[in-house]
Amino acid sequence: GAVVSQHPSWVICKSGTSVKIECRSLDFQATTMFWYRQFPKQSLMLMATSNEGSKATYEQGVEKDKFLINHASLTLSTLTVTSAHPEDSSFYICSARVPGRDSQYFGPGTRLLVL
Amino acid sequence: GQQLNQSPQSMFIQEGEDVSMNCTSSSIFNTWLWYKQDPGEGPVLLIALYKAGELTSNGRLTAQFGITRKDSFLNISASIPSDVGIYFCAGQPVSGGTSYGKLTFGQGTILTVHP
Repeated sequence: GAVVSQHPSWVICKSGTSVKIECRSLDFQATTMFWYRQFPKQSLMLMATSNEGSKATYEQGVEKDKFLINHASLTLSTLTVTSAHPEDSSFYICSARVPGRDSQYFGPGTRLLVL
Repeated sequence: GQQLNQSPQSMFIQEGEDVSMNCTSSSIFNTWLWYKQDPGEGPVLLIALYKAGELTSNGRLTAQFGITRKDSFLNISASIPSDVGIYFCAGQPVSGGTSYGKLTFGQGTILTVHP
């Protein structure tokens, strides 16, 4: 149990375009999901907390208008990187919190390359 | 904010050897989680610890939640080549406030196993 999927697994886009990444909890309902960013050989950096039915909570230094998060259902959260630039190229990973427990299960990640 | 110090940063061992890594925190955590991440993948949850003093095993892996609630260790016995990867500890702060549900990650331990 506790499977989380992400789509797409990788994406290449031109500078200035927007990219949407989906995160789904496949076998449980997640009222809370998290979005992370990871640079090569570094740890995970939390970007925002996605709450079903309410606005996301962004970490300090993360532009909410740049990284739009929508958590419209108990099994789906989306991250949209708007007007992407090369510096947005990174590995984006979501996680979902298991209801009633403090553990989180991660998706397989999405590799974004902005040209 | 809370910080986790994970050590060692990297380990090079021979197949069959035992491995030990640990994390310490400057503050108290409710939950300790240990993850393994393979290149290009999302972290996979190995062991979750919810009580101070708890000792939990998962196959060749054993982890403990320190009595002080400020540290945890992970042991891998009889290592094999597929144990190669990056191991992260993560702590869940005491519930409540803006930190609820968020994980704080260690810097990671890169494990290399020579056949």
